[in-house]
Amino acid sequence: AIQMTQSPSSLSASVGDRVAITCRASQGIRSDLGWYQVKPGKAPKLLIFGASILQSGVPSRFSGSGSGTDFTLTISSLQPEDFATYYCLQDYDYPRTFGPGTTVEIK
Amino acid sequence: DVHLVESGGGLVQPGGSLRLSCGTSGFAFSSYWMTWVRQAPGKGLEWVANIKIDGSQKNYVDSVKGRFTISRDNAKNSLYLQMNNLRAEDTAVYYCARDLDYFDGKIYYDVFDYWGLGTLVTVSS
Repeated sequence: AIQMTQSPSSLSASVGDRVAITCRASQGIRSDLGWYQVKPGKAPKLLIFGASILQSGVPSRFSGSGSGTDFTLTISSLQPEDFATYYCLQDYDYPRTFGPGTTVEIK
Repeated sequence: DVHLVESGGGLVQPGGSLRLSCGTSGFAFSSYWMTWVRQAPGKGLEWVANIKIDGSQKNYVDSVKGRFTISRDNAKNSLYLQMNNLRAEDTAVYYCARDLDYFDGKIYYDVFDYWGLGTLVTVSS
């Protein structure tokens, strides 16, 4: 199975900060990567797919980049509603595998 | 509006069985793959299984192969997960998600674009 890693595992940031989360695959996965936001008690939310394609309705402060093995999710100006846990997911091969998650906390 | 609602979770003893359901509305269920994802308490997301639009193809994570069976009833717009021989490590919130095959002109991307709120399965004696 393709192993996904994320860094950092958690970070503290302030409203307005620029935040970057990285995801690395154990083998090349082209651009077959998505980013999901999870908040307690809520349905997970798709943010980005195809490494850089913004899902409809997702604010433009979210962006994704990368291909092959290294990917980045960037939040250009952190908003209060962005404090959550973020997961990358590879859809290049079965089984689909998520990264371990990055929790974004309020500083 | 697209809606997915999971049900069927609960407390079950190790070795027991449970059948989860996912009722859907607001989209053409029979035109989409569907997926189950779980999240153990305090842990991350784990993809469990998916199923093709007509049920002819099913994929599973290794840890549930031979114990879990994903199925669907397109006439009822519903997705199911039959879980047998349950273990403590299967304790989790189970989410169903719509599994969209997005084509950008060159590549198909497997995208989980709508999710339910989940149902909790607890395996304990």
